[in-house]
Amino acid sequence: QKEVEQNSGPLSVPEGAIASLNCTYSDRVSQSFFWYRQYSGKSPELIMSIYSNGDKEDGRFTAQLNKASQYVSLLIRDSQPSDSATYLCAVNHPDGGSQGNLIFGKGTKLSVKP
Amino acid sequence: NAGVTQTPKFRILKIGQSMTLQCTQDMNHNYMYWYRQDPGMGLKLIYYSVGAGITDKGEVPNGYNVSRSTTEDFPLRLELAAPSQTSVYFCASSETGYSGNTIYFGEGSWLTVV
Repeated sequence: QKEVEQNSGPLSVPEGAIASLNCTYSDRVSQSFFWYRQYSGKSPELIMSIYSNGDKEDGRFTAQLNKASQYVSLLIRDSQPSDSATYLCAVNHPDGGSQGNLIFGKGTKLSVKP
Repeated sequence: NAGVTQTPKFRILKIGQSMTLQCTQDMNHNYMYWYRQDPGMGLKLIYYSVGAGITDKGEVPNGYNVSRSTTEDFPLRLELAAPSQTSVYFCASSETGYSGNTIYFGEGSWLTVV
């Protein structure tokens, strides 16, 4: 059973702080990793993707990948109340690699307090 | 450019009834997907399609059927609705099945079976 694990939270941080969201995955052959943001009652929105070990930065967001530890994280710097949402970690389903299927974690709910 | 459009947005079904969730995309994407999301859970793949006339089962296909007669449309059929099918359903599409390809989601369909 391929699994993606996330702490469900809620994770509460003050405005301006760094929010750190973590995700582990069970299938060592997974190659692509994604972070989706989902506001309450809305559809998921892709905010970051990462494929290689190390860090990838995009604005206030940094994704970190460690394949040896099967661990991927998302850092949000200068957190804003508008960042309050559920963050879903997703890992590609490597079987055949042709359907682009993703295995999603349950999500971590982030609350940024003004 | 509407992206991925789903209808209806909300529906209440009685046990044993059947219905079809409609999904259409205007991005000329080959790949289309149906996911369900239960409260506090990640998304689980029901069915996917790699092109017109080709469909395949995902992780949780039981109780559902799909068809893909055109590139644009990918309806999801619920036969003999059961309370366990109460969920939020998301249709999605991507240009290819390459695991790094962005998946675009529709706005979701909230289904309650009573």
